[in-house]
Amino acid sequence: GQNIDQPTEMTATEGAIVQINCTYQTSGFNGLFWYQQHAGEAPTFLSYNVLDGLEEKGRFSSFLSRSKGYSYLLLKELQMKDSASYLCAAMDSNYQLIWGAGTKLIIKP
Amino acid sequence: GAVVSQHPSWVICKSGTSVKIECRSLDFQATTMFWYRQFPKQSLMLMATSNEGSKATYEQGVEKDKFLINHASLTLSTLTVTSAHPEDSSFYICSARTPRTGDYNEQFFGPGTRLTVL
Repeated sequence: GQNIDQPTEMTATEGAIVQINCTYQTSGFNGLFWYQQHAGEAPTFLSYNVLDGLEEKGRFSSFLSRSKGYSYLLLKELQMKDSASYLCAAMDSNYQLIWGAGTKLIIKP
Repeated sequence: GAVVSQHPSWVICKSGTSVKIECRSLDFQATTMFWYRQFPKQSLMLMATSNEGSKATYEQGVEKDKFLINHASLTLSTLTVTSAHPEDSSFYICSARTPRTGDYNEQFFGPGTRLTVL
């Protein structure tokens, strides 16, 4: 079956760095997405990886290892506004997104 | 970037009534649109995939006679919740995708519609 695993909740301190891990199992693979979702709002796109390695975009970076079925989202210089849920989604061979349950990130001052 | 709108943003209705939610791609043509449902503290659950001009493909467990989807044009899809009941209360989100050669098939999300059925 298809499955996405990510931690339910994480807590970090303002100004620090946090890494949110995601493992996936899908029928075929066409890339790994990370989305940010604030409470009561729709998800917003953060990153996309289809090749192994690290993609850096400002304070956010995303890493992919296809052989391990593993990705992580790295957030640096955390700000209070980064408090949100972070959704990992893998695209299968039919270009359907398989969603993780999301990781709720709590930022403390 | 691509913009997707949804209307209404929120709706409260009585049990037994029908509610229509519109999803529009404002600055691009969406060959495929997706409808998701999200219950509190849970992830997105795909309800159905619709391609312009053809019948929607529903996920297992989603009643197609209860959740009517119409994708009549490349910029508009509608979801009608028929005979709504309190258990249908949820956050409904649509997304739109257009295949781009040499690029990934990113989904652009609408802002969501919060449905409360009394």
